[in-house]
Amino acid sequence: AQTVTQSQPEMSVQEAETVTLSCTYDTSESDYYLFWYKQPPSRQMILVIRQEAYKQQNATENRFSVNFQKAAKSFSLKISDSQLGDAAMYFCAYESGKLVFGAGTILRVKS
Amino acid sequence: EAQVTQNPRYLITVTGKKLTVTCSQNMNHEYMSWYRQDPGLGLRQIYYSMNVEVTDKGDVPEGYKVSRKEKRNFPLILESPSPNQTSLYFCASSYRGGNYEQYFGPGTRLTVT
Repeated sequence: AQTVTQSQPEMSVQEAETVTLSCTYDTSESDYYLFWYKQPPSRQMILVIRQEAYKQQNATENRFSVNFQKAAKSFSLKISDSQLGDAAMYFCAYESGKLVFGAGTILRVKS
Repeated sequence: EAQVTQNPRYLITVTGKKLTVTCSQNMNHEYMSWYRQDPGLGLRQIYYSMNVEVTDKGDVPEGYKVSRKEKRNFPLILESPSPNQTSLYFCASSYRGGNYEQYFGPGTRLTVT
């Protein structure tokens, strides 16, 4: 069964600085998709960024980028120029017919 | 506005009292699913539906039922709720299963005493 591991239960970052959230996954599939979701205190699940496994180029969305290492089964999220509004729970998720989530990382942003 | 709605948003009930959480989407999506979120476990899929009258179990289906009689609606039924079903529940929909982005509802906080 596919599993997703987020080894950092909590992270802190100073406003305007950069932070990287880690995610590893286990799969025997070669074709799959990876996602990062943000869950602010409102509890709404918001898609941050998506990566197709067949693409070698790392996905980027404004201040958010990923480091996708397929051989290592690693999918980290980098947030640049952190803002107070980035404070949230972040979930890494894997999809190959079914969406499987990691346990989440709470990100705190200090002003 | 494209959205997924869930009702109720909050519910406190007692063990054994049947309840239904409704989910509706207005995007004509084929794929719908239910998740529960628990601390330290992330979100886990309960049931999913690929289309009308087609449903299948996810990772944690015990104690839950679903139906998909119409494309837009996908209610979650707890026939005899127990305290271990206290959780935060999310409904989600997407155009199809797979790579398509899943749109999540606002969540339903359920407490079973």
